[in-house]
Amino acid sequence: AQSVAQPEDQVNVAEGNPLTVKCTYSVSGNPYLFWYVQYPNRGLQYLQKYITGDNLVKGSYGFEAEFNKSQTSFHLKKPSALVSDSALYFCAVRDNDNAGNMLTFGGGTRLMVKP
Amino acid sequence: EAQVTQNPRYLITVTGKKLTVTCSQNMNHEYMSWYRQDPGLGLRQIYYSMNVEVTDKGDVPEGYKVSRKEKRNFPLILESPSPNQTSLYFCASSPRDPALSYNEQFFGPGTRLTVL
Repeated sequence: AQSVAQPEDQVNVAEGNPLTVKCTYSVSGNPYLFWYVQYPNRGLQYLQKYITGDNLVKGSYGFEAEFNKSQTSFHLKKPSALVSDSALYFCAVRDNDNAGNMLTFGGGTRLMVKP
Repeated sequence: EAQVTQNPRYLITVTGKKLTVTCSQNMNHEYMSWYRQDPGLGLRQIYYSMNVEVTDKGDVPEGYKVSRKEKRNFPLILESPSPNQTSLYFCASSPRDPALSYNEQFFGPGTRLTVL
């Protein structure tokens, strides 16, 4: 079975400071990893993914994510946070080597960026 | 405008009264899916469909039904709703299986359902 953990329910950051939203995963095969963002009263929007290749993945809106196979992590990062980045962030994983087409989402992390 | 639409956006109902939440996409996507979002649990997949007349169970299918008679529509049916189905529901679509083809999913705006 595949699973995703987002250990922090909320992350608080001052505007202009770097931010990290943590995600760890568990799959038995090779992972496909995704980040989605949800703004208030909206559906989820895709941010970025990792399929293969470089461990540092550039995404939308200045975000990047770092894949670490040994730590089974896929942390979302941004060098300088904006107030407008405040939202709910979800990490998701799919086990590419096993049957089935399901994406499993983490519980979400609320990012609060204060001016 | 390319989009996924859901109706209704808000619904309050009573236990046992059958309801249907509609989902429609105008992007000619093959893959469609339903999720429920609950605090601390993230999104959990209820059902998905790879194409017309092809549906499969997700993580939490109990108490739900779906159908895919047309490519653009993927309604979620609760035959006998119960209070534990009170949740925020999202429909999503993508051109193919969102992981196999690396395409991200497009999400609808959500339907907040309360079952009394």
